[in-house]
Amino acid sequence: AQSVAQPEDQVNVAEGNPLTVKCTYSVSGNPYLFWYVQYPNRGLQFLLKYITGDNLVKGSYGFEAEFNKSQTSFHLKKPSALVSDSALYFCAVRDKPSSGSARQLTFGSGTQLTVLP
Amino acid sequence: EAGVTQFPSHSVIEKGQTVTLRCDPISGHDNLYWYRRVMGKEIKFLLHFVKESKQDESGMPNNRFLAERTGGTYSTLKVQPAELEDSGVYFCASAGGLYSPLHFGNGTRLTVT
Repeated sequence: AQSVAQPEDQVNVAEGNPLTVKCTYSVSGNPYLFWYVQYPNRGLQFLLKYITGDNLVKGSYGFEAEFNKSQTSFHLKKPSALVSDSALYFCAVRDKPSSGSARQLTFGSGTQLTVLP
Repeated sequence: EAGVTQFPSHSVIEKGQTVTLRCDPISGHDNLYWYRRVMGKEIKFLLHFVKESKQDESGMPNNRFLAERTGGTYSTLKVQPAELEDSGVYFCASAGGLYSPLHFGNGTRLTVT
């Protein structure tokens, strides 16, 4: 079974500083990895995904994520945090099926990011 | 294009009552998913439609939950009778392809008292 772990419930960072939101995963095959963000009273918005290729993936709003196969991690990063980045961030994984059958997205428990002015 | 819309945004019902949630996916998206987040925990998969067919309903918690997608357009999720533990935020998402990013609605916050 596939699973995702977000070890930090809360991450606080000062505006202008770099931020990292951690994610590790477990799948039986090669993973499809995603980051979503949820602003208050809104649905989840897609930030970025890793399917194959370059381990550093660039996404929306200046975010990027680094896929590390040996550490089974997909940490979300941004070089300089903004107060408006404060939100709930979810990491998610899907495995690539060998049989063609559908696989649902498995989410982590979410990390609340607070960027302090 | 219009996004995924969910109705209602909030619902407060008493234990034992029935509630029906509705989701309108992005036009043309064959794949429709229901997820829920209970008590601030992880977002959990409920089921997946491809057009009007249930592709995977392994996440449905019990037979008090019934999802339909007649005609392959909008979907409804009915909870009957509702229990206290059903409280949470129910998200609908749609995708054009099986491995396309999911587009989520704003969710329906269900409170069972």
